[in-house]
Amino acid sequence: NAGVTQTPKFQVLKTGQSMTLQCAQDMNHEYMSWYRQDPGMGLRLIHYSVGAGITDQGEVPNGYNVSRSTTEDFPLRLLSAAPSQTSVYFCASSYLTGVDEQYFGPGTRLTVT
Amino acid sequence: KNEVEQSPQNLTAQEGEFITINCSYSVGISALHWLQQHPGGGIVSLFMLSSGKKKHGRLIATINIQEKHSSLHITASHPRDSAVYICAVSNTDKLIFGTGTRLQVFP
Repeated sequence: NAGVTQTPKFQVLKTGQSMTLQCAQDMNHEYMSWYRQDPGMGLRLIHYSVGAGITDQGEVPNGYNVSRSTTEDFPLRLLSAAPSQTSVYFCASSYLTGVDEQYFGPGTRLTVT
Repeated sequence: KNEVEQSPQNLTAQEGEFITINCSYSVGISALHWLQQHPGGGIVSLFMLSSGKKKHGRLIATINIQEKHSSLHITASHPRDSAVYICAVSNTDKLIFGTGTRLQVFP
């Protein structure tokens, strides 16, 4: 099993550009989530999904969209990038909910200039 | 005040020392997670516990539900234990994270 994969690993965007961060898992996990990690702060939840077709907002959802058309994939879209979105983004999955063991992807380091 | 607080924020140790990292939380939880993040950035789950104590190799995690407190212990520390250790709690469908403890173990 590949586990949780994320692409790209690094990305530089100009302000106003849009892009999609990809996340996929091959463990048949129902729960998937996106976090951002900023210096001096804990991981913060952006959006999460408890199953295909179901998504919900986390703590910091503004400026981001998600969809969950399949169990395997959970892409994160930046609609119009801003310097405040410079961060490291992690995708994670677990069997059913946040109660279960979490599996993290390797992260995407995004810089917005 | 953060809902999950870790202490200390930074910790240095000599190889072989016994290490303790603490986590306190202020919300109701269904489980507590300890995670490890190496300098390369990857995050791995070390423990998930809702009561008592768990042990894996040189790592031991304990939780006191009444006191809303958990500790992560590392026995006979080694330079390869150098990493950021993150405490997180499961609150309904979400995880709430502490800011992490940066551990450096010197030979």
